[in-house]
Amino acid sequence: AQKVTQAQTEISVVEKEDVTLDCVYETRDTTYYLFWYKQPPSGELVFLIRRNSFDEQNEISGRYSWNFQKSTSSFNFTITASQVVDSAVYFCALDTGTASKLTFGTGTRLQVTL
Amino acid sequence: DAGITQSPRYKITETGRQVTLMCHQTWSHSYMFWYRQDLGHGLRLIYYSAAADITDKGEVPDGYVVSRSKTENFPLTLESATRSQTSVYFCASSEAQIQYFGAGTRLSVL
Repeated sequence: AQKVTQAQTEISVVEKEDVTLDCVYETRDTTYYLFWYKQPPSGELVFLIRRNSFDEQNEISGRYSWNFQKSTSSFNFTITASQVVDSAVYFCALDTGTASKLTFGTGTRLQVTL
Repeated sequence: DAGITQSPRYKITETGRQVTLMCHQTWSHSYMFWYRQDLGHGLRLIYYSAAADITDKGEVPDGYVVSRSKTENFPLTLESATRSQTSVYFCASSEAQIQYFGAGTRLSVL
């Protein structure tokens, strides 16, 4: 069975601080995909990144970066120099390729204040 | 506008009533999904569909029915709504294993 754990329920930071959101996953499949989605206060779910299990390269997109480590089954997400607009709930998700079904973590609520 | 549209955005109903949530996508994606979002559970898959006339259960299918007669539509029906079905419902479609979500329907069952 697949499982995604986001142990941090809520994180509060002051603007311009760096923050890392943790994601740990469990699967017996060797081929899988990992995702991060953002859910701002307006409620929609916004796709941020997809990473496949064969690509352990870290990725950077502007202030966002992702660290994928198969050895620890983790796919952590770092926001550098956080901004108020980063306030949202962030979900990590796992797709083992079976009909593209996603298994979501319970989400981490990030609050960025001035 | 192209994309995935859910209707209604908000719905209040009473226990025992039948409710249908609509989902329409303009991309012609093969796969479509229904999730519910509840505090402490993240999003959980209710049903999914690989193509028109092909549907299958997800993690929490009890009390729900789906159909998919056309590729672009994937309605979700609560046959006899219960209070435990109060939730936010998200529809999604996928392309290249990336799922794109609708804006959600907030359903309250009184």
